[in-house]
Amino acid sequence: DIQLTQSPSFLSASVGDRVTITCRASQGISTYLAWYQQRPGKAPQLLIFAASTLQGGVPSRFSGSGSGTEFTLTISSLQPEDFAVYYCQQVDSYPLTFGGGTKVEIK
Amino acid sequence: EVQLVESGGGLVRPGESLRLSCAASGFTFSSYAMNWVRQSPGKGLEWVASITATSSHIYYADSVRGRFTISRANAESSLDLQMSSLRVEDTAVYYCVRRDSKVIMSSDKASHHWYFDLWGRGTLVTVSS
Repeated sequence: DIQLTQSPSFLSASVGDRVTITCRASQGISTYLAWYQQRPGKAPQLLIFAASTLQGGVPSRFSGSGSGTEFTLTISSLQPEDFAVYYCQQVDSYPLTFGGGTKVEIK
Repeated sequence: EVQLVESGGGLVRPGESLRLSCAASGFTFSSYAMNWVRQSPGKGLEWVASITATSSHIYYADSVRGRFTISRANAESSLDLQMSSLRVEDTAVYYCVRRDSKVIMSSDKASHHWYFDLWGRGTLVTVSS
């Protein structure tokens, strides 16, 4: 099974900050990676797929990069509505797996 | 409105069974692979099962294989998850999720990329004695 390790698991940031979250895969997955945002009490929402393709309707301050085993999600200027938990997911092979999540909180 | 609505959650004892359902609307259900993803209280996301559009391929997480069965009825735009021999560790919110895909061109090579683009609100399953 492909393991995904996210770092950090928690980060505290201020509105306007640039935030970067890393997701490392236990083996190469090309660009078969997606990112999701989950706000408290809500279902996850797709942000990015194919490692760097922004889902329609997602603000352009979100961006993704990487391939192989190392990926990043960047929020260029953190907004109040971005305080949430972020998950990466590999869709390279079954079983599909998620990272452990990164909680972004207000400093 | 494009949506997925889960139902069937509740409180059951260890060893009992429960059937979850998901009603899809606003899109052509028969064109999409579907999935169940769960989230234990305060924990992360765990993929549970997938079924292709025509039910030709079905996949399960090791943690549920042999106990859970995913199925779909395209004529009714519905997805089910039959859960048996439930354990305390199966306690979670269960999400019904649509899988879409897109072909991405990269270095003159086309590759199919999947993603989970539509999620229901979830239904809570609690397994406790």
